[in-house]
Amino acid sequence: KQEVTQIPAALSVPEGENLVLNCSFTDSAIYNLQWFRQDPGKGLTSLLLIQSSQREQTSGRLNASLDKSSGRSTLYIAASQPGDSATYLCAVRPRDNFNKFYFGSGTKLNVKP
Amino acid sequence: NAGVMQNPRHLVRRRGQEARLRCSPMKGHSHVYWYRQLPEEGLKFMVYLQKENIIDESGMPKERFSAEFPKEGPSILRIQQVVRGDSAAYFCASSPPDWRTGELFFGEGSRLTVL
Repeated sequence: KQEVTQIPAALSVPEGENLVLNCSFTDSAIYNLQWFRQDPGKGLTSLLLIQSSQREQTSGRLNASLDKSSGRSTLYIAASQPGDSATYLCAVRPRDNFNKFYFGSGTKLNVKP
Repeated sequence: NAGVMQNPRHLVRRRGQEARLRCSPMKGHSHVYWYRQLPEEGLKFMVYLQKENIIDESGMPKERFSAEFPKEGPSILRIQQVVRGDSAAYFCASSPPDWRTGELFFGEGSRLTVL
């Protein structure tokens, strides 16, 4: 069974810092991996989707990488802003059970002004 | 193009009552997923449906919970005889027909509180 882990569980940084959020998964046989952002009391907003054949995806100040063989993905946030404060979740879609996405528990990010 | 629409956003029920949560997928999406998020926990898969078919309900509790996605109208997650442990946020997501590579889009969630 696929297990997804996100470290750290919480992170507090001053505004302007570049930061990296980590996501690891136990089974490398995946179709894709998706990063989401969740604000308190809100739904999930899709940030980046990386297909299994891709190494990275970029959107604005966000860059997500995927190393399938080692079961890892990172979300890089450049020049962080207070508005980036939220919980960041990663989810993987396994090949042997493609009906499901498996989620990590998230990293709660606080960017201090 | 409207996103995934869920209602109600908040629902309060007393123990033993029924809860009905509705989800309309994004336009053009025929795949619907329901996930549950307990306080301070990650999202757990409940059920995956296509129009008029339950494809995978392996994450659904065996009793009291049911889901449907009729030919016309929204998908419904129904919880009968609710208990306090059912209090959670229930999220619906949809994806386009290309299920292998399709991106998941989530609604704002329905937050159920059982008194």
